[in-house]
Amino acid sequence: QKEVEQDPGPLSVPEGAIVSLNCTYSNSAFQYFMWYRQYSRKGPELLMYTYSSGNKEDGRFTAQVDKSSKYISLFIRDSQPSDSATYLCAMSRYGQNFVFGPGTRLSVLP
Amino acid sequence: DTEVTQTPKHLVMGMTNKKSLKCEQHMGHRAMYWYKQKAKKPPELMFVYSYEKLSINESVPSRFSPECPNSSLLNLHLHALQPEDSALYLCASSQMGGPAQPQHFGDGTRLSIL
Repeated sequence: QKEVEQDPGPLSVPEGAIVSLNCTYSNSAFQYFMWYRQYSRKGPELLMYTYSSGNKEDGRFTAQVDKSSKYISLFIRDSQPSDSATYLCAMSRYGQNFVFGPGTRLSVLP
Repeated sequence: DTEVTQTPKHLVMGMTNKKSLKCEQHMGHRAMYWYKQKAKKPPELMFVYSYEKLSINESVPSRFSPECPNSSLLNLHLHALQPEDSALYLCASSQMGGPAQPQHFGDGTRLSIL
């Protein structure tokens, strides 16, 4: 079993939809969680950074962490074609570098 | 625009060439990272520098040689690379080393080995 699992997609949604992106993990020691967005031929861009469980909101983006279920989510409200990208989750525990999920390709159709 | 700048954006080199990738950040971060990313795969950690000292080497072949001349600069020296080394090489930085600080990436150098 991989340490971090993520549905690779592609996930296609119509413009304006609410998008739910998810990662599951096996290491219960993970405490730090990040979401990155990566456009083609660009580096990953940090979207959200959370510590431990709970929700965090930033504009159209909401990150959720459920440590009891070992499950994290990124919600995108009012999705736009410019949100079309690959979304990477990453997580870590103290003393370890981040482990990345394989990424989910999202396509928002106009 | 990212705050981590990488040059060159593209590099094509033969297997006998020597070249260097450069990375610069002016955010006052004290940890810097090199990652390798193949197509449709997540980034893979290669090296970590913390306070200008190499703290992690993820068993990277010696044909890749990192260097951190100062807290703002990170180089990756390349020599005798193989075709399978063709990839996007990403530099990242964080305020300090360790997972308590998020990492910020540059846009990478796309490397092709002929």
